[in-house]
Amino acid sequence: QQQVKQSPQSLIVQKGGISIINCAYENTAFDYFPWYQQFPGKGPALLIAIRPDVSEKKEGRFTISFNKSAKQFSLHIMDSQPGDSATYFCAALNTGNQFYFGTGTSLTVIP
Amino acid sequence: DAGVIQSPRHEVTEMGQEVTLRCKPISGHDYLFWYRQTMMRGLELLIYFNNNVPIDDSGMPEDRFSAKMPNASFSTLKIQPSEPRDSAVYFCASSGWGLTEAFFGQGTRLTVV
Repeated sequence: QQQVKQSPQSLIVQKGGISIINCAYENTAFDYFPWYQQFPGKGPALLIAIRPDVSEKKEGRFTISFNKSAKQFSLHIMDSQPGDSATYFCAALNTGNQFYFGTGTSLTVIP
Repeated sequence: DAGVIQSPRHEVTEMGQEVTLRCKPISGHDYLFWYRQTMMRGLELLIYFNNNVPIDDSGMPEDRFSAKMPNASFSTLKIQPSEPRDSAVYFCASSGWGLTEAFFGQGTRLTVV
């Protein structure tokens, strides 16, 4: 059973546009929500993360929006660039240090 | 630190053969995870260890899969016998108590023909 549901599976955005990826979870024991970025041939790497006590976190062009009551969180990439083209995974972490990942979103930014 | 090291990077084997994937976690990390990545299912957690002890192996798909961690610096994932549907990229990741980041290796791309 997928603990974290992610959509869309793929996304194509024009350069300069906004990329939005959504995730939802059910387990209220999760207390940390990271996003990972994966380039071809590489392992996923931490991009940005949020705890459920805040509703938004911004780092440069990347923003996480978090809705605790709806159990949803999303990644927004502002001014998307071709170099952002990668696969993005949302994840949730419980107090047992167990990471659950979404199914991934393949982002393509067209020049 | 060189990060999480996996070997081999690529493995092509015939159906029915035994396959062993290897992982060296980051020194000092006491959590080690094995994931399988496919297009359909994304990153699936197969098993994870804490202090070399398997904690949750509920993600291991079948008895054909087994994992060991004989010491803090080495783990193996074995598939015996291998089947074409096992073809995927297998990742090892490590983390430490109090850390909220999992550090991934570069993965092993397994192809079973």
